[in-house]
Amino acid sequence: EAEVAQSPRYKITEKSQAVAFWCDPISGHATLYWYRQILGQGPELLVQFQDESVVDDSQLPKDRFSAERLKGVDSTLKIQPAELGDSAMYLCASSLTSVTGELFFGEGSRLTVL
Amino acid sequence: SQQGEEDPQALSIQEGENATMNCSYKTSINNLQWYRQNSGRGLVHLILIRSNEREKHSGRLRVTLDTSKKSSSLLITASRAADTASYFCAPVPISGGYNKLIFGAGTRLAVHP
Repeated sequence: EAEVAQSPRYKITEKSQAVAFWCDPISGHATLYWYRQILGQGPELLVQFQDESVVDDSQLPKDRFSAERLKGVDSTLKIQPAELGDSAMYLCASSLTSVTGELFFGEGSRLTVL
Repeated sequence: SQQGEEDPQALSIQEGENATMNCSYKTSINNLQWYRQNSGRGLVHLILIRSNEREKHSGRLRVTLDTSKKSSSLLITASRAADTASYFCAPVPISGGYNKLIFGAGTRLAVHP
């Protein structure tokens, strides 16, 4: 069964360091999402791609976060520099279509900033 | 706001009992989706109900949708300990552009053996 792959599964870093997360969506899925989920809260959408284009990054803290999906397939989310408040689960999801379709999530990358 | 709001925030029941969770939203929707999240894992899609549907079943899950009240409910019958998880609803608005799924805080369900 096709899955959304994410790495690393866990990441511990010190504040002010750079961190990167990688996501490989299900083959053929044009829409890719990055969510951030703080413990005890619901997932918050950070950025949404349609193919290689960003269609929504209104909640992405652009002073320190960046995301790219260069060839419209896999994607990288970067944080530089990391802050204590960035400790969270970073979830990637993909869907066949952004119009009405269901989302398929990866297992997430748990970030701890010390 | 586009997101759904789940109620209650937390629910604790015994195995075998039914669990009902509710979702309210504010926009006109194309469909509404329910997701489950086990602790420390990604979300898993459970069921999608379209705006022209009033009820949908999938195994032990029953979802209802009342577009006039802008609300939905998820019923899990004969619950099991393995149903312990957080449950989220995601209303998908009618839109000519790209839709994004916005999640609320969810309902945390604990099923005790």
